[in-house]
Amino acid sequence: GAGVSQSPRYKVTKRGQDVALRCDPISGHVSLYWYRQALGQGPEFLTYFNYEAQQDKSGLPNDRFSAERPEGSISTLTIQRTEQRDSAMYRCASSSNREPSGNTIYFGEGSWLTVV
Amino acid sequence: AQKVTQAQTEISVVEKEDVTLDCVYETRDTTYYLFWYKQPPSGELVFLIRRNSFDEQNEISGRYSWNFQKSTSSFNFTITASQVVDSAVYFCALSEAWYQGGSEKLVFGKGTKLTVNP
Repeated sequence: GAGVSQSPRYKVTKRGQDVALRCDPISGHVSLYWYRQALGQGPEFLTYFNYEAQQDKSGLPNDRFSAERPEGSISTLTIQRTEQRDSAMYRCASSSNREPSGNTIYFGEGSWLTVV
Repeated sequence: AQKVTQAQTEISVVEKEDVTLDCVYETRDTTYYLFWYKQPPSGELVFLIRRNSFDEQNEISGRYSWNFQKSTSSFNFTITASQVVDSAVYFCALSEAWYQGGSEKLVFGKGTKLTVNP
């Protein structure tokens, strides 16, 4: 698509439930990133993919968080057994890795997650 | 380790004033990229500029200008003749050189909230 698309835009879930957040990157973009942004903070890196390969998952806070991009396009970030501290905006982004934009990362509108 | 510091948490100005947002970074890499993003009240993150570490020329785009000073590890952003629509949170970010095969992730500062009053 023309931009990075994320769904759902807003999600309220009960503590202990699993949540899946979906990201559809810009068409043709090789790299896909997941970031988390708490209120009043800058985005924090979670993980990223080149094509379908997960290159770096060092930012995932614990093993309740996982991500996949099985066909090198759409990605899903899954949070199992959600906790209130997981409440945040989850941002997906993509980059082409080809000039002129190179490694410029373009962000989607984000998915607001609230765990009650 | 990479680090980005935006010491100004909030800035408030009156329309038509010039305003500079500071960004100081730390990295051990000789090749790296610097970015600025804008987050308006609607919440999206909008890309403004990318600059690599070998290009120290200042850049101007309309009312926006950027001053890259490698000697002081700073990449400051100036808005000339500010407008109410410039009100937003502005983030500075740093990444390693992706073509070197390093990590491509961006490290963000905590942001500066700019309010432009009419």
